[in-house]
Amino acid sequence: AQSVTQLGSHVSVSEGALVLLRCNYSSSVPPYLFWYVQYPNQGLQLLLKYTTGATLVKGINGFEAEFKKSETSFHLTKPSAHMSDAAEYFCAVRTMEYGNKLVFGAGTILRVKS
Amino acid sequence: NAGVTQTPKFQVLKTGQSMTLQCAQDMNHNSMYWYRQDPGMGLRLIYYSASEGTTDKGEVPNGYNVSRLNKREFSLRLESAAPSQTSVYFCASSPRTLISYEQYFGPGTRLTVT
Repeated sequence: AQSVTQLGSHVSVSEGALVLLRCNYSSSVPPYLFWYVQYPNQGLQLLLKYTTGATLVKGINGFEAEFKKSETSFHLTKPSAHMSDAAEYFCAVRTMEYGNKLVFGAGTILRVKS
Repeated sequence: NAGVTQTPKFQVLKTGQSMTLQCAQDMNHNSMYWYRQDPGMGLRLIYYSASEGTTDKGEVPNGYNVSRLNKREFSLRLESAAPSQTSVYFCASSPRTLISYEQYFGPGTRLTVT
C-alpha cells in the first residue's frame, strides 16, 4: 500500500540548533520526492525535490535532504534553525505505483524556540 | 505572474447549501488539482485534470464535482455541503502530469460547514 510517513507531528528546536525532519515512504519503484513548507494561513511552497541524479539535494532557505534508497527515506535537514523556519513541513512522493499522483505525509509542525 | 489564485479565501455554509470554489492559474500549466487539508492527515487529492477537457477522481471525490472551464480555470463544486466537508481547500497546477514536475499551490480556501 502506498504511504508516506513523517515521524513526529511536532518538532521543537532551539534557534541555531540542527533541524531534522524525518520522512519515509513505501514504494517498490523509483520515487520522485518533494518537501513543501506551509507558513501559517498560506499555501504550500516547494522547498526542494529529488528526481534523479545526486541523492543530496539542496533547497531554499538553507534546507537540504538526502534520498537513501536502502532506507526508503528522504529526511530534511538544516544545520542552524532560524525563527523564520517555524512552519509546517510536508513530505510528498510521486511514483508510477501511486498512479502518478502526489501523495503527502501528514505533516510536521516545526517550532523554533528563542 | 499571480501564480495560482483561489476565491473565496473564507466561506461559511449551512448544511445542504451549495457553492463553487474557483481556481485560476496564469502559468500556462496543463494539469490542475484540488486537495483538501485536514489536521493530521496532510493533503488528500479530491479531483484532478491532467489537461484541458479531462477530469479524474482522486482519493476523496465523494460529495464534490469539478469543471475544467478552460486551460486557466478549474472549479470545485459542493452540491450539498456537509459538516464533514469543513476543511481547507487547495488548488494546485503543474506543467505536465509527468511525475518529475512539482505542483504550485494557491493560498487556499478555508470552508466551514455548520
